[in-house]
Amino acid sequence: NAGVTQTPKFQVLKTGQSMTLQCAQDMNHNSMYWYRQDPGMGLRLIYYSASEGTTDKGEVPNGYNVSRLNKREFSLRLESAAPSQTSVYFCASSEIRTGQETQYFGPGTRLLVL
Amino acid sequence: AQSVTQLDSHVSVSEGTPVLLRCNYSSSYSPSLFWYVQHPNKGLQLLLKYTSAATLVKGINGFEAEFKKSETSFHLTKPSAHMSDAAEYFCVVSAFTSGTYKYIFGTGTRLKVLA
Repeated sequence: NAGVTQTPKFQVLKTGQSMTLQCAQDMNHNSMYWYRQDPGMGLRLIYYSASEGTTDKGEVPNGYNVSRLNKREFSLRLESAAPSQTSVYFCASSEIRTGQETQYFGPGTRLLVL
Repeated sequence: AQSVTQLDSHVSVSEGTPVLLRCNYSSSYSPSLFWYVQHPNKGLQLLLKYTSAATLVKGINGFEAEFKKSETSFHLTKPSAHMSDAAEYFCVVSAFTSGTYKYIFGTGTRLKVLA
């Protein structure tokens, strides 16, 4: 099992460019999440998908959109990148049964917006 | 509402000495609590989790944590630090809302291990 995979690993964008971060999981989990990590702030939830066909905003959704393509894949799109979106992005997945809610994280995508 | 406070942003210990990373939580019901570790330029790895079973939880790499409801704490400990323990550690509380379990992260504690 690969677990949670993310592409790309690194990306440099210019202000105003768009891009999509890809995430896939092979654990048959129902729920998937996108976080951003900034120094001194822990991880903050951008968007999540409780189950296939649903998506909801998290703590910091502005400037992002998501698509739950199928049960395995959950993508994050930056339509018009801004320097404030320079961060490390993590995707995670989990089950939604009590006691099984541990989230498993991908390796991250480092994004630099110039 | 759930929240997590990690009381120290940086902790330094000498190799072979005990490690204590402090975490306090706030929760309106019995919480699930987790500790994750992040080595430099890596993803997050689960160290251990508490989900209302035994209050003393043992994790990987010799780490353990004790859930103390009266003190609303979930401190992470290890008897003897190793150089490979140098990393950032996150305390997390889980909350079920809007059809799934959402994590609330602490701001992290960076552990430095001195030779």
